[in-house]
Amino acid sequence: AQRVTQPEKLLSVFKGAPVELKCNYSYSGSPELFWYVQYSRQRLQLLLRHISRESIKGFTADLNKGETSFHLKKPFAQEEDSAMYYCALYSGGGADGLTFGKGTHLIIQP
Amino acid sequence: DAGVTQSPTHLIKTRGQQVTLRCSPISGHKSVSWYQQVLGQGPQFIFQYYEKEERGRGNFPDRFSARQFPNYSSELNVNALLLGDSALYLCASSIDSLDEQFFGPGTRLTVL
Repeated sequence: AQRVTQPEKLLSVFKGAPVELKCNYSYSGSPELFWYVQYSRQRLQLLLRHISRESIKGFTADLNKGETSFHLKKPFAQEEDSAMYYCALYSGGGADGLTFGKGTHLIIQP
Repeated sequence: DAGVTQSPTHLIKTRGQQVTLRCSPISGHKSVSWYQQVLGQGPQFIFQYYEKEERGRGNFPDRFSARQFPNYSSELNVNALLLGDSALYLCASSIDSLDEQFFGPGTRLTVL
């Protein structure tokens, strides 16, 4: 069965510092990986997906199949980045839906 | 468009009771998925429906059931409620079963 691991429950960095949120996955096939974000009092929303290879709000994530990782990075953190971040995996076919990690609470200190 | 809507917002039930949660997808979206989010955990997949047919089911007991209506809205039913069913229940809609999922605000269920 697939699994997504986010090792950091809480990550606190200062404004302007680089940010890296870790995500590792286990799945035998070729998964599709996502990062979802939930800002305070807002609903869960898609931040980025690996197949689009876009940079959203300055965040990027590269799928490393060798290390089975999909870490989220931003070179200079902003206070508005404070939120809950979830890494998710989709195995395809719809049968299993999205498999989420437990999430990382990112706090950007002024 | 208001996005995905869910009702009710909050619900309190006692053990053994039954509950029905409702979801209205974004207009034009034909797929609805349900997730359970226990405090401190990520969402866990329960069901996916597409064009009124069940397309996927997560690892949940038969007490959990769902259906999708001709207008693509959906209901999630949970029978014989247990304390452990207390959670935020999220609904997500997408154009089809493989497309980006848009989440609703959730229904907070408390079982006493």
